[in-house]
Amino acid sequence: DTGVSQNPRHKITKRGQNVTFRCDPISEHNRLYWYRQTLGQGPEFLTYFQNEAQLEKSRLLSDRFSAERPKGSFSTLEIQRTEQGDSAMYLCASSWAGASGNTIYFGEGSWLTVV
Amino acid sequence: QKEVEQDPGPLSVPEGAIVSLNCTYSNSAFQYFMWYRQYSRKGPELLMYTYSSGNKEDGRFTAQVDKSSKYISLFIRDSQPSDSATYLCAVPPPFTGTASKLTFGTGTRLQVTL
Repeated sequence: DTGVSQNPRHKITKRGQNVTFRCDPISEHNRLYWYRQTLGQGPEFLTYFQNEAQLEKSRLLSDRFSAERPKGSFSTLEIQRTEQGDSAMYLCASSWAGASGNTIYFGEGSWLTVV
Repeated sequence: QKEVEQDPGPLSVPEGAIVSLNCTYSNSAFQYFMWYRQYSRKGPELLMYTYSSGNKEDGRFTAQVDKSSKYISLFIRDSQPSDSATYLCAVPPPFTGTASKLTFGTGTRLQVTL
């Protein structure tokens, strides 16, 4: 198992365009999280799924953001009508919520630059 | 008040020094306290975590929790240039275990110089 995989790793887009990021979690993990991280800040929670159900969304997740995990495996995060303030690293993470002592594993992140 | 606060640094130390990284938190119900390390332009990786109060040691790293003052620390002994990274403290919500969404501090950037 190669860990949490995110694609694309880098994306430059013009303001107003839509972008989509994909995350493939560790295969046996049932929880999947999306975070956003800007320079000099820690990751900020956006949303998480348990299997295919989206259980929580942060107030940071405006209506231009949508996340899906249709079959409880990979997930996509789409940002519509991008704004310069959306420029950040988008981190995906996964975990197995079924036994004590399990922890969250992060991917390498997808960098978004909106110009 | 933020749930977890951390001095952003940067902190610069010579190789071999003992490093102390600290966070404060606001909710006395927090039970687990995590430390992540993040290299530049990479995702965070878990270093270690502690449950409730006390110390936990793993090689050159020691995590310490003082629940009475809501203060958590990470000590790095014999620091190496490869320790240069951003160190993030993080907490899951109370009573949810360690495999739950995390609230992070801002991270402290550490530079270990030769």
